[in-house]
Amino acid sequence: QVQLVQSGAEVKKPGSSVKVSCKSSGVTFDKSGIFWVRQAPGQGLEWMGGIIPIFGAANYAQPFQARVTITADTSTSTAYLELSGLTSEDTAVYYCATDLTPLQPNGFDIWGQGTLVAVSS
Amino acid sequence: EVVLTQSPATLSVSPGERATLSCRASQSVSSNLAWYQQKPGQAPRLLISGASTRATGISARFSGSGSGTEFTLTISSLQSEDFAVYYCQEYNNWPRFTFGQGTKLEIK
Repeated sequence: QVQLVQSGAEVKKPGSSVKVSCKSSGVTFDKSGIFWVRQAPGQGLEWMGGIIPIFGAANYAQPFQARVTITADTSTSTAYLELSGLTSEDTAVYYCATDLTPLQPNGFDIWGQGTLVAVSS
Repeated sequence: EVVLTQSPATLSVSPGERATLSCRASQSVSSNLAWYQQKPGQAPRLLISGASTRATGISARFSGSGSGTEFTLTISSLQSEDFAVYYCQEYNNWPRFTFGQGTKLEIK
């Protein structure tokens, strides 16, 4: 069974960083992209970036390029999203997602349960 | 960068009727378009990929059409569980993606 399991909710201070994990099972991790999407309260979906481990480097959406680092640990089939310089506008649910067609363009078949990150002083 | 514009922002339809949702791309994305359904407190669920291919387990009441810059999601004979927010997503520059802003489908 393919599933993505994310780490738990976080409360952070403005200016700090957060690191969210996403553990994959049931997929060929190194060929399956792990993509990160965030959703602010009452707002839509926003793609932040992703990584396909076999390709090595991550790619990022332009608004997040300076503050986001996405990595993957193939030994544990876990991907990570680190976001720095947090402000209240980063308060959101962060989802990881993947597809069931490795190395082929497709939508996101499988989603993690979401991780709430709240930024508050 | 591709911009996806969904319309309308909110659609009010009675149960049993048909709903038609639109997604327009600022430039051609070929057939590299997906549709998602999201209910409150839940992660999105993939409905359609490749503009018209239903994902595994998705009811035949959901159908997608279009290519290039104009896309449509049609939901026939609306059921109570279909009232949700719907998003389109393009992946023409995979592995880069863009989402539309969403259409809320509400009960009339």
